[in-house]
Amino acid sequence: EAEVAQSPRYKITEKSQAVAFWCDPISGHATLYWYRQILGQGPELLVQFQDESVVDDSQLPKDRFSAERLKGVDSTLKIQPAELGDSAMYLCASRWGALDTQYFGPGTRLTVL
Amino acid sequence: KNEVEQSPQNLTAQEGEFITINCSYSVGISALHWLQQHPGGGIVSLFMLSSGKKKHGRLIATINIQEKHSSLHITASHPRDSAVYICAVHTGNQFYFGTGTSLTVIP
Repeated sequence: EAEVAQSPRYKITEKSQAVAFWCDPISGHATLYWYRQILGQGPELLVQFQDESVVDDSQLPKDRFSAERLKGVDSTLKIQPAELGDSAMYLCASRWGALDTQYFGPGTRLTVL
Repeated sequence: KNEVEQSPQNLTAQEGEFITINCSYSVGISALHWLQQHPGGGIVSLFMLSSGKKKHGRLIATINIQEKHSSLHITASHPRDSAVYICAVHTGNQFYFGTGTSLTVIP
């Protein structure tokens, strides 16, 4: 069964360093989401792509976060510089269309020291 | 103010018990999702529904659009059902997530 792939699964970094996460959605899924989930809370949308275009990045802290999906397939989320408060699980999800459910990747657990 | 509210926040049950988790929302939706998140962090979509009721194995999800309320039921609960259950709604433009219900089923 097709799955959303994410890497790395775990990342430990020091504050002020740069980190990058990668997501490969299920083939054919046009919509891709990046979420941040702080322990004990529900996921918070950071950015939504439709193909290669950003649909919603209103909650993305643009001074330090950036996301791209250049060819409309896989996507990269970058944080530079990382701060202590960025420690969280970063989840990627994709869906084929508006009537489809979201499929989540396993997530990247980020710890900033 | 949270667009999606879940109750209870935490739930402990004995194996075999019937479990109900509730979700209320305040926005107009095109669909409601029930998600399951295990301690490792991975999220699995259990149901997507926009009306009525859906059943999959021991899991049943219902939604009342007029009352803006949904319930997730687990019959004959089992320790492997222990997880966080998250309610999410899609408005047609974006998703809103509840904070989750942490379920522990004791053998």
